[in-house]
Amino acid sequence: KQEVTQIPAALSVPEGENLVLNCSFTDSAIYNLQWFRQDPGKGLTSLLLIQSSQREQTSGRLNASLDKSSGRSTLYIAASQPGDSATYLCAPRYTNAGKSTFGDGTTLTVKP
Amino acid sequence: ETGVTQSPTHLIKTRGQQVTLRCSSQSGHNTVSWYQQALGQGPQFIFQYYREEENGRGNFPPRFSGLQFPNYSSELNVNALELDDSALYLCASSFNPGHGFSYEQYFGPGTRLTVT
Repeated sequence: KQEVTQIPAALSVPEGENLVLNCSFTDSAIYNLQWFRQDPGKGLTSLLLIQSSQREQTSGRLNASLDKSSGRSTLYIAASQPGDSATYLCAPRYTNAGKSTFGDGTTLTVKP
Repeated sequence: ETGVTQSPTHLIKTRGQQVTLRCSSQSGHNTVSWYQQALGQGPQFIFQYYREEENGRGNFPPRFSGLQFPNYSSELNVNALELDDSALYLCASSFNPGHGFSYEQYFGPGTRLTVT
């Protein structure tokens, strides 16, 4: 069974801190992995997509890494801001263009 | 370029009724996936449509059905609604080139369904 675990479930940090969100998946035979953010009651916003052949992707203050062999991905957020407060979800895909399997997310609160 | 849109935004139905949710995919996308998200949990895959054909289904009963139209928009139909069907229903579109790397999924804002 393909399962995704995100640790921690919740995280509260002061503004300006650098932080790391963790994602682990039981089946390492992924095609790609996508990170999303979700604001309360809203849809998902795509942050980064990493193909299985890549080790990392960067977008602004965000950096996502992928270690396919160990079944892990991390999302690094630099210089956190209150606007970064949201739930962050990782979602590996096990077939090309197929379904995404989601964890339950990490809820981040950045305090001013 | 318009993003993924969903309608309606909110819906309240009674147990046993039927509901239809709609999704317009992003321009240029040929694949639509539907997900159900219960409060406090990650989205669960319902099914996917690629070029008007069902292309994968999650662990949902047959009373969850769908359609994809020639313009790649899609509908999710749920019959015989149950209380546990109350959730946020998310639609995601992407482009499947048929070979090579798959592209990002883009999600709509969701439809909040409440079954009483």
